Amino acid sequence: NAGVTQTPKFQVLKTGQSMTLQCAQDMNHNSMYWYRQDPGMGLRLIYYSASEGTTDKGEVPNGYNVSRLNKREFSLRLESAAPSQTSVYFCASSFSPGRNTEAFFGQGTRLTVV
Amino acid sequence: GESVGLHLPTLSVQEGDNSIINCAYSNSASDYFIWYKQESGKGPQFIIDIRSNMDKRQGQRVTVLLNKTVKHLSLQIAATQPGDSAVYFCAETTNYGGSQGNLIFGKGTKLSVKP
Repeated sequence: NAGVTQTPKFQVLKTGQSMTLQCAQDMNHNSMYWYRQDPGMGLRLIYYSASEGTTDKGEVPNGYNVSRLNKREFSLRLESAAPSQTSVYFCASSFSPGRNTEAFFGQGTRLTVV
Repeated sequence: GESVGLHLPTLSVQEGDNSIINCAYSNSASDYFIWYKQESGKGPQFIIDIRSNMDKRQGQRVTVLLNKTVKHLSLQIAATQPGDSAVYFCAETTNYGGSQGNLIFGKGTKLSVKP
């Protein structure tokens, strides 16, 4: 049981380049999330998907897009990377509403934009 | 990784002592609170949660206390071990049982355990 798997673990991009961060969970969770974490900060929600087929903006969605490909997979895309998007990105998943809202996190993707 | 801990409040304790990590939350309407532990280079990991209709909840070596009057949450770790060294985050939501879409994380406290 792998839990939440993110790829890649590390990435360096040049300003203006695009890339997609992949996330998959094998716990049959309905809800999935993308967060970013900056030094000295807590996690900030970028986008989330409460259930398959739905996505919603979080606190800091600008510059990002997401796709809930199926129940297992939730990807985050940077269309034109900027240095301000240098951060550690975490994907998480949780059970559907009505159950424990504890979330399980992936190991993170450390992204540097130069 | 290590960059998570930069500029964070730090609590340094001796191995075997008890640790108390504090968190002031912002929304008096929050009805559910979670403590997460984040070790260096890893994602956050759930430790314990508490609903607003409780003021204390105990787990294995951990206790969470909730004081709604002053909007304060604390995490107590008994007999702190080197493996407890990590950054600890509190999180709050006004939507217990719902999606984590409106879970708000605090900035975290770095716990350092001296052997």
